Amino acid sequence: DAGVIQSPRHEVTEMGQEVTLRCKPISGHNSLFWYRQTMMRGLELLIYFNNNVPIDDSGMPEDRFSAKMPNASFSTLKIQPSEPRDSAVYFCASSLRTSDYEQYFGPGTRLTVT
Amino acid sequence: RKEVEQDPGPFNVPEGATVAFNCTYSNSASQSFFWYRQDCRKEPKLLMSVYSSGNEDGRFTAQLNRASQYISLLIRDSKLSDSATYLCVVSNRDDKIIFGKGTRLHILP
Repeated sequence: DAGVIQSPRHEVTEMGQEVTLRCKPISGHNSLFWYRQTMMRGLELLIYFNNNVPIDDSGMPEDRFSAKMPNASFSTLKIQPSEPRDSAVYFCASSLRTSDYEQYFGPGTRLTVT
Repeated sequence: RKEVEQDPGPFNVPEGATVAFNCTYSNSASQSFFWYRQDCRKEPKLLMSVYSSGNEDGRFTAQLNRASQYISLLIRDSKLSDSATYLCVVSNRDDKIIFGKGTRLHILP
């Protein structure tokens, strides 16, 4: 298996632009997680899905952030409009089921908003 | 009190030494515990789960102390390749997952 796939690996954009991050979980995994990591705040859970249904989005910072999972093999995290404080590494992870199981992380998307 | 707390370090330890660090959690209802390892500019990877009875995997030993609400990780005979950030992960009955900010470990030659 190729593991969790994320694209793009790096994204540099200007403030106000829309940013879309993509994730393909490991085949057969039922749970998908989106995280954001910064030096100041560490690794923060933004949202997670179970069987394509959003279960907990309490970590989503504000309405500028949205996430979708249209099918079991694809998810997006969108930021519109982007701001410099959104600069971070965004990780997608998947697991067989929810929190009791090992999470496999993708390589992350390093986002810089100027 | 923060939900999951770790000493950020860095812990600078000579090769071959034993090092241990703890992670405290605030929610007594927490039920699952893990240690993840994250190398510089890489993604986190599971190091080991932490069971109530404690568990050992080679040079690594993880323990859970529910009474005092902390988990620990002990590394024996440390190697240069053990240099990384170690993240504590706690999850609750409602599947809320919280990562600690990590403890940085530097193994010195």
